[in-house]
Amino acid sequence: DQQVKQNSPSLSVQEGRISILNCDYTNSMFDYFLWYKKYPAEGPTFLISISSIKDKNEDGRFTVFLNKSAKHLSLHIVPSQPGDSAVYFCAALTSGAGSYQLTFGKGTKLSVIP
Amino acid sequence: DVKVTQSSRYLVKRTGEKVFLECVQDMDHENMFWYRQDPGLGLRLIYFSYDVKMKEKGDIPEGYSVSREKKERFSLILESASTNQTSMYLCASSLEDTQYFGPGTRLTVL
Repeated sequence: DQQVKQNSPSLSVQEGRISILNCDYTNSMFDYFLWYKKYPAEGPTFLISISSIKDKNEDGRFTVFLNKSAKHLSLHIVPSQPGDSAVYFCAALTSGAGSYQLTFGKGTKLSVIP
Repeated sequence: DVKVTQSSRYLVKRTGEKVFLECVQDMDHENMFWYRQDPGLGLRLIYFSYDVKMKEKGDIPEGYSVSREKKERFSLILESASTNQTSMYLCASSLEDTQYFGPGTRLTVL
């Protein structure tokens, strides 16, 4: 059973508009969430993260929102640029009793149209 | 069997000292990570590497640098240790979806 779900495999947005990428999780023990960005033929690069004790983290054009009661997080990109076109992965971390595991979603392909 | 080892379980250093934390994995994983864990703040990503000689900044890279000269080894460097770097440091490696962690190094900076 998938513990981290990105239900939209792809998303298209006009340049200058807001991109919203969604991620749902099922494990209430996750205490840290990360977003990665991946271009074709390259490794994933870290984008932004959020601890479970926060509900928002902002870094430039990127903002991540966490709704723990709904087990949902989202990445907002404002304004979207053509260079943002990539696959975005949501990941969630459990850390307890000395055992740690990071679980990834399957990714959402974002296309920003000029 | 998955194995990630860290050079020290406990380390005490003085302010201003240069500190090296070593991490070795024997699984031929491409990706390696350094985190710090602090009470109330959870796990925060410092740096990660997805290939030899490649590195990417995480959430809190300030005051740290890293080195990945060989695939199996990822080093975290504190150029000039400060008391606010007293923490538990965790190394991890991964191939695809799952990261595997070492036992951690409890660093105290006096």
